[in-house]
Amino acid sequence: DVKVTQSSRYLVKRTGEKVFLECVQDMDHENMFWYRQDPGLGLRLIYFSYDVKMKEKGDIPEGYSVSREKKERFSLILESASTNQTSMYLCASTFGLNSYNEQFFGPGTRLTVL
Amino acid sequence: AQKVTQAQTEISVVEKEDVTLDCVYETRDTTYYLFWYKQPPSGELVFLIRRNSFDEQNEISGRYSWNFQKSTSSFNFTITASQVVDSAVYFCALDQAGTALIFGKGTTLSVSS
Repeated sequence: DVKVTQSSRYLVKRTGEKVFLECVQDMDHENMFWYRQDPGLGLRLIYFSYDVKMKEKGDIPEGYSVSREKKERFSLILESASTNQTSMYLCASTFGLNSYNEQFFGPGTRLTVL
Repeated sequence: AQKVTQAQTEISVVEKEDVTLDCVYETRDTTYYLFWYKQPPSGELVFLIRRNSFDEQNEISGRYSWNFQKSTSSFNFTITASQVVDSAVYFCALDQAGTALIFGKGTTLSVSS
């Protein structure tokens, strides 16, 4: 059974803290994605990566960075968390180099920044 | 610019009713892919269907059916005889030049017994 796992389901952090959200997939997928989901806004792409050490900005990269040191792991980093980064964060992965393949999603991390 | 519009924010139906979720898209590409995903209360998005721009045949899978019409840039999703387990947020998405998906804002479907 294919699996995308995220390190935490719920996370509470304070303003200014550095936050790491981890995502691991066990399907040997090339592409990995980070989205944030907010009510009324749907899913918005933050960053994606099509290979180890490669990254591309999505639609809303400001305030975020990413790291992909190993094929199976894609980390989202909030360098200095702010309250407007309170959101649900979803990780996804897909086979191959094209996004038109089915994306497999993790369960999400609900982050609250106080 | 590429865009996906799901005009229905929330829909409430009673079990066994049929319900259609609308999706309208904009793209300049001649080759593109459209998707529907379901997000149940557990939070994990689940893939339902993918359609490419050259295949306008309607698709039926059990109680689910999809109507793709290029002439109106729509890719609508119908659930026949809805059930409580169909309650979820449904997202329509458009492949963005093979790099990433653009999602609509989602439609929350509530099915009551």
